[in-house]
Amino acid sequence: EPEVTQTPSHQVTQMGQEVILRCVPISNHLYFYWYRQILGQKVEFLVSFYNNEISEKSEIFDDQFSVERPDGSNFTLKIRSTKLEDSAMYFCASSSQGIYEQYFGPGTRLTVT
Amino acid sequence: DQQVKQNSPSLSVQEGRISILNCDYTNSMFDYFLWYKKYPAEGPTFLISISSIKDKNEDGRFTVFLNKSAKHLSLHIVPSQPGDSAVYFCAAKSGNTPLVFGKGTRLSVIA
Repeated sequence: EPEVTQTPSHQVTQMGQEVILRCVPISNHLYFYWYRQILGQKVEFLVSFYNNEISEKSEIFDDQFSVERPDGSNFTLKIRSTKLEDSAMYFCASSSQGIYEQYFGPGTRLTVT
Repeated sequence: DQQVKQNSPSLSVQEGRISILNCDYTNSMFDYFLWYKKYPAEGPTFLISISSIKDKNEDGRFTVFLNKSAKHLSLHIVPSQPGDSAVYFCAAKSGNTPLVFGKGTRLSVIA
């Protein structure tokens, strides 16, 4: 069964450093998403991406964040200058059509020290 | 502003009995509702969904009921199994909008 994959599973970085979280969505999906979950809180939407551009973003997704689909398979989330409060689980998701269910990857645990 | 609310943070059920997880929403524009299951250190796994044009959707042991007038949905798992122990998230969306998640309910199925 096709699945969304994410690397790395755990990333530790120092405050102020740049990190890139990587995702490989399900191959025939067209809609891509990033969500995050701070420990003990609910899953929150960050950004959605369709047709090589951002279709929607939340207030969390400020200028420190960017997304890219550098080739036909990868979908990345970059945080330019990490802050302590960026520590969270980051989930990538994909969907065949935007109106239906989204399938999530296993997540990357980002720890900013 | 909690658009999707899961008011029970936890639920314990005996193996073989029915588990009922509840979810309320406030946004009347939501037209698609989903339940996800999440184990620790894993991503949410899609379980079952329902469109606002329906009031029930069934898939094996899982049934989702939607009451639009009450803005309420529920997930029934019967019979409950120990492997069902996880955190269950209710989520909702409107058209192509992103998923809005509830805070989750931790289900413990006791053997």
